[in-house]
Amino acid sequence: GAGVSQTPSNKVTEKGKYVELRCDPISGHTALYWYRQSLGQGPEFLIYFQGTGAADDSGLPNDRFFAVRPEGSVSTLKIQRTERGDSAVYLCASSPNPGLNSPLHFGNGTRLTVT
Amino acid sequence: DQQVKQNSPSLSVQEGRISILNCDYTNSMFDYFLWYKKYPAEGPTFLISISSIKDKNEDGRFTVFLNKSAKHLSLHIVPSQPGDSAVYFCAASGRNNNDMRFGAGTRLTVKP
Repeated sequence: GAGVSQTPSNKVTEKGKYVELRCDPISGHTALYWYRQSLGQGPEFLIYFQGTGAADDSGLPNDRFFAVRPEGSVSTLKIQRTERGDSAVYLCASSPNPGLNSPLHFGNGTRLTVT
Repeated sequence: DQQVKQNSPSLSVQEGRISILNCDYTNSMFDYFLWYKKYPAEGPTFLISISSIKDKNEDGRFTVFLNKSAKHLSLHIVPSQPGDSAVYFCAASGRNNNDMRFGAGTRLTVKP
């Protein structure tokens, strides 16, 4: 069965540019999460969607970061005016049972490098 | 603030021996705890979990122990195999599962 799919797998961009990272969750999973993992660190929570709405965006570091999930399935993480400190692996995860204890299923991530 | 802590960045064990990975948490509202395993260039993969109503959960070679009073959990792998070599992340969440937090990870190396 298909797992969580993230594209692109790698993205290199210049400082100041705009990037979009895409996540296609497991079919039927209503909960979707974005995390960021820097070198030597664990995944850091960014935002959580329940259906189409962002139920918790408290982890977004600043207003350059924005995420959408317009139809309750695919999500896009958008970063404006990228900075070198944004370089990290961006992980997407989905879960079938929001509100119940269930593990998150992660994609392989998008490695973003800002030069 | 780091709510989930893995204080050992690395661990090396001999094949066939026991591996013990440790994790501490600070948020008393956490009631669901997980271990994930991560290989290079892949996302974390769920390994085993435990809810706060239990103190032990076993799945094959993997056992997770939870000590709520100490806010401590551990993962035991026995016997350890070279294929277990990976980075292991401890994670915890509250009742709604929308606030899962991760530790910094422990790199396990199992030597043949």
